[in-house]
Amino acid sequence: DGGITQSPKYLFRKEGQNVTLSCEQNLNHDAMYWYRQDPGQGLRLIYYSQIVNDFQKGDIAEGYSVSREKKESFPLTVTSAQKNPTAFYLCASSMGTVSYEQYFGPGTRLTVT
Amino acid sequence: GDSVTQMEGPVTLSEEAFLTINCTYTATGYPSLFWYVQYPGEGLQLLLKATKADDKGSNKGFEATYRKETTSFHLEKGSVQVSDSAVYFCALSDTGNQFYFGTGTSLTVIP
Repeated sequence: DGGITQSPKYLFRKEGQNVTLSCEQNLNHDAMYWYRQDPGQGLRLIYYSQIVNDFQKGDIAEGYSVSREKKESFPLTVTSAQKNPTAFYLCASSMGTVSYEQYFGPGTRLTVT
Repeated sequence: GDSVTQMEGPVTLSEEAFLTINCTYTATGYPSLFWYVQYPGEGLQLLLKATKADDKGSNKGFEATYRKETTSFHLEKGSVQVSDSAVYFCALSDTGNQFYFGTGTSLTVIP
């Protein structure tokens, strides 16, 4: 089955540690995205990538980093510089960035204490 | 800039009631419009879409019509079920590089 996988489902880290969230897609989509969702709120865009080896900052990129070395993979690193990292993180992909629907992974819930 | 505004929640309905969740948008071009649904602890699932004015998207009994004159894309369902309890997001994608999501409307259906 084609789709997007995110792992792990739940992640716990101590404050001050960097952590990397995995996102893999086998839909052959060019574009990939990372969103952050806080309780009772909408989605905020962290980073997006339209093509391999290229990515752009979204609305809340500070404290996060990404890489896009392969078309199917778009890992997100939450660094110790991110002030409030505890949140639900969603990865998505789409065929392109103009008028195409986005498909979402199941999400990773990160808790930092 | 582009944006999506959807009705505040939460919405609580009895089973078999009629559902409307309002969504209006602001866009400079001719966007595509979407409704997504999110069940607790899960990612978003595409519910339906419409890519041009007067298009009607439909899926699983849900419908929404792309109204350019009123810049709206309201979600409707004639008879809701308990299993429809979720958060619903309206979204648009235009000629730019991003999606714009509404803040979500939580729906609870009680038996």
